[in-house]
Amino acid sequence: DAEITQSPRHKITETGRQVTLACHQTWNHNNMFWYRQDLGHGLRLIHYSYGVQDTNKGEVSDGYSVSRSNTEDLPLTLESAASSQTSVYFCASSELAGVQETQYFGPGTRLLVL
Amino acid sequence: AQTVTQSQPEMSVQEAETVTLSCTYDTSENNYYLFWYKQPPSRQMILVIRQEAYKQQNATENRFSVNFQKAAKSFSLKISDSQLGDTAMYFCAFMKGYGQNFVFGPGTRLSVLP
Repeated sequence: DAEITQSPRHKITETGRQVTLACHQTWNHNNMFWYRQDLGHGLRLIHYSYGVQDTNKGEVSDGYSVSRSNTEDLPLTLESAASSQTSVYFCASSELAGVQETQYFGPGTRLLVL
Repeated sequence: AQTVTQSQPEMSVQEAETVTLSCTYDTSENNYYLFWYKQPPSRQMILVIRQEAYKQQNATENRFSVNFQKAAKSFSLKISDSQLGDTAMYFCAFMKGYGQNFVFGPGTRLSVLP
């Protein structure tokens, strides 16, 4: 079955370190998204991509970057991790299919920055 | 910019009873999509139901139905015959158009009591 996976599921790092969170989907979806989830804020969009070589900034993109070299993967990089980036990160994907577009979410990655 | 509001941070309901979760949104768009996502303790985001703004008929999926009031910009979720497995965070989400990113509300924590 097609799916969307994230790795690692849990990560502890130190401030100032570079961290990369992986997202891989096997639906062949064009659209991929990264969100962070914090108490009181729901999910907020970090970056998104509408296809290979396309990336766009979301609501809370500062301190994060993404690259899209193929359809299946959209890795999220924290250039220099900060304690404020402690959060749960969700990757999602979607495909245009008439009016049936829905975003499918990965299981999430819990990141702790010490 | 679009905003989504969920005015009930927490709710509880007895098993087999009916509960309604509220969601309001603000947009100047005429065509858009609305969603309810469920997030159980496993943290996975699961699509519950979706509604296209151009459709007047309210969406229904088994025990889940919505009351979509476009003029009032209201999109409430009704859960009938509540089950213990319905215990979760519920997020209302707005999407402007095809391939656009979601805007999520802050969530409502629902507890179904035995």
